[in-house]
Amino acid sequence: ETGVTQTPRHLVMGMTNKKSLKCEQHLGHNAMYWYKQSAKKPLELMFVYNFKEQTENNSVPSRFSPECPNSSHLFLHLHTLQPEDSALYLCASSQDDRGSYEQYFGPGTRLTVT
Amino acid sequence: AQTVTQSQPEMSVQEAETVTLSCTYDTSESDYYLFWYKQPPSRQMILVIRQEAYKQQNATENRFSVNFQKAAKSFSLKISDSQLGDAAMYFCAYRTIRSNSGGSNYKLTFGKGTLLTVNP
Repeated sequence: ETGVTQTPRHLVMGMTNKKSLKCEQHLGHNAMYWYKQSAKKPLELMFVYNFKEQTENNSVPSRFSPECPNSSHLFLHLHTLQPEDSALYLCASSQDDRGSYEQYFGPGTRLTVT
Repeated sequence: AQTVTQSQPEMSVQEAETVTLSCTYDTSESDYYLFWYKQPPSRQMILVIRQEAYKQQNATENRFSVNFQKAAKSFSLKISDSQLGDAAMYFCAYRTIRSNSGGSNYKLTFGKGTLLTVNP
């Protein structure tokens, strides 16, 4: 596979469940990102990792816990979510975190919290 | 903080016609990057075109071109000879190129998007 992949593509979970979203990039990039896309709102940056180190946490609630074991993989661990957390979660990667580099996006995980 | 405004939630165009999507932004920076991203119904967001603020020449990519007006902080996207495959949500985005104190320079700020419909 090429580009940025995300699994699962769709996820339905209850508020007491624990689940994880996975992102993998096959582009040799060093920076990876999690975004939240809600209806009628701009994309919201959640977390940034550069060379496996978290360099940005955009005031995200602790019920979202990211993990970046290496530059190719990024996880988002979810626990005790709220219905308002239902959204499309997009992963992206770029060469590194400098402004000139294009971000490549994955197809997203559609999350529904019941 | 930077903000990006797309004033057209929806637009439609006839196939083979030209359409222009609007974007304005607010910043105190003099150097930055601007992007248009396309998100088709399959949801994979892809870069359409990029503009560096220090370049006066408007960027073009085949049928896609921008009208970059730095003083007016305007960055519109023109799609010529529209095709059915152009139907998508289009997002305008801003990115500074300098690190903020205590922060970083990689944050993309997106507009809310414009949904483009192409009619056959």
